[in-house]
Amino acid sequence: DARVTQTPRHKVTEMGQEVTMRCQPILGHNTVFWYRQTMMQGLELLAYFRNRAPLDDSGMPKDRFSAEMPDATLATLKIQPSEPRDSAVYFCASGLVPWGSSGANVLTFGAGSRLTVL
Amino acid sequence: AQTVTQSQPEMSVQEAETVTLSCTYDTSESDYYLFWYKQPPSRQMILVIRQEAYKQQNATENRFSVNFQKAAKSFSLKISDSQLGDAAMYFCAYWYNNNDMRFGAGTRLTVKP
Repeated sequence: DARVTQTPRHKVTEMGQEVTMRCQPILGHNTVFWYRQTMMQGLELLAYFRNRAPLDDSGMPKDRFSAEMPDATLATLKIQPSEPRDSAVYFCASGLVPWGSSGANVLTFGAGSRLTVL
Repeated sequence: AQTVTQSQPEMSVQEAETVTLSCTYDTSESDYYLFWYKQPPSRQMILVIRQEAYKQQNATENRFSVNFQKAAKSFSLKISDSQLGDAAMYFCAYWYNNNDMRFGAGTRLTVKP
């Protein structure tokens, strides 16, 4: 089965350090989402891309977060400087839009990156 | 803006029984998609079932089925013959074409042996 690959799976860092999370979407998918999951806020959309172009990053704190797709096989989410409140699980998901009638094209999630900022 | 509401933070069901998880959403669109995702303790988000709004027939996947009421903007998930492996967080989600996928707050399902 095709998978969305996220690295690292776990990251512990100290406040003020730079953190980069990476995502390899499924080959052929043209849409990539970044979500953040916390107990308090649930699943929050941070940013999403279509054909590598950012469509919406309004959910992302612009002063410290940045998201890019340097090529079709890699999406990155960077936090600089990191803060304790950034501790969360970060999910990447990819899909192919528009969907065909076959129903085969839905969002597929990666396993998530658990970030702890001390 | 589209919002998704799951009013049941927690639910429990006896093994082999049936449970229904509720979801309502708000939209002004007529053609969209609705989903239920399952998140077990492993954190992996797993698609359980999807429903296209233009289809009147309720989607079914083995023991999982939905009750889609478009006029009421309701999309509930029924799990029949519940199994221990069904214990997880369940998220309802809405997606309209080029926009982002919106998730509800989730319902934690416990299955009692």
